[in-house]
Amino acid sequence: KQEVTQIPAALSVPEGENLVLNCSFTDSAIYNLQWFRQDPGKGLTSLLLIQSSQREQTSGRLNASLDKSSGRSTLYIAASQPGDSATYLCAVHNYGQNFVFGPGTRLSVLP
Amino acid sequence: GAVVSQHPSRVICKSGTSVKIECRSLDFQATTMFWYRQFPKQSLMLMATSNEGSKATYEQGVEKDKFLINHASLTLSTLTVTSAHPEDSSFYICSARSLLGTSGGNNEQFFGPGTRLTVL
Repeated sequence: KQEVTQIPAALSVPEGENLVLNCSFTDSAIYNLQWFRQDPGKGLTSLLLIQSSQREQTSGRLNASLDKSSGRSTLYIAASQPGDSATYLCAVHNYGQNFVFGPGTRLSVLP
Repeated sequence: GAVVSQHPSRVICKSGTSVKIECRSLDFQATTMFWYRQFPKQSLMLMATSNEGSKATYEQGVEKDKFLINHASLTLSTLTVTSAHPEDSSFYICSARSLLGTSGGNNEQFFGPGTRLTVL
């Protein structure tokens, strides 16, 4: 059974810092991995989708990497802004199975 | 990206009543739709998976007679919480997975904005 963990659980940084959020999964036979952002009381916004054959994806200030062999993905946020404050969730999709979500990392970017 | 809508966004009801939540994929066809529940400060928990035209598959511990799911078309799924009780109060989020080859068709999963259910 796939298990997904995220470290750290919460993070507070000053504006402008570069930061890394970590996601680990136990079953490396994944189909894809998605990073989401969730604002308080809101739904999920998809940030980046990495297929199992890819090693990284980039969108603006965001870069997500995937290392299937070690069961890890990282989300790199460059030049963080207060508007980046949210909970970041990674979700892993295994072949023939459904998404398994990590518990999330609550990010606060202080002005 | 593709858009998934949910209606209503917020509902307050009395204990014992039934509540229906709609989930629509607005600009793509979804082979599969998912219903999640999220309690405060917790991650999403999958409740059930539905494929168009067939019965939903429920996760362990989710009562299918209480949470009725209908997936009548490739763009619409509904979740009905029957005889709702205060412990059913939660944030319900639906998700739709696109058909390969259609808009957003790389098997990516798109999420609705969620429905906040409060049962008094």
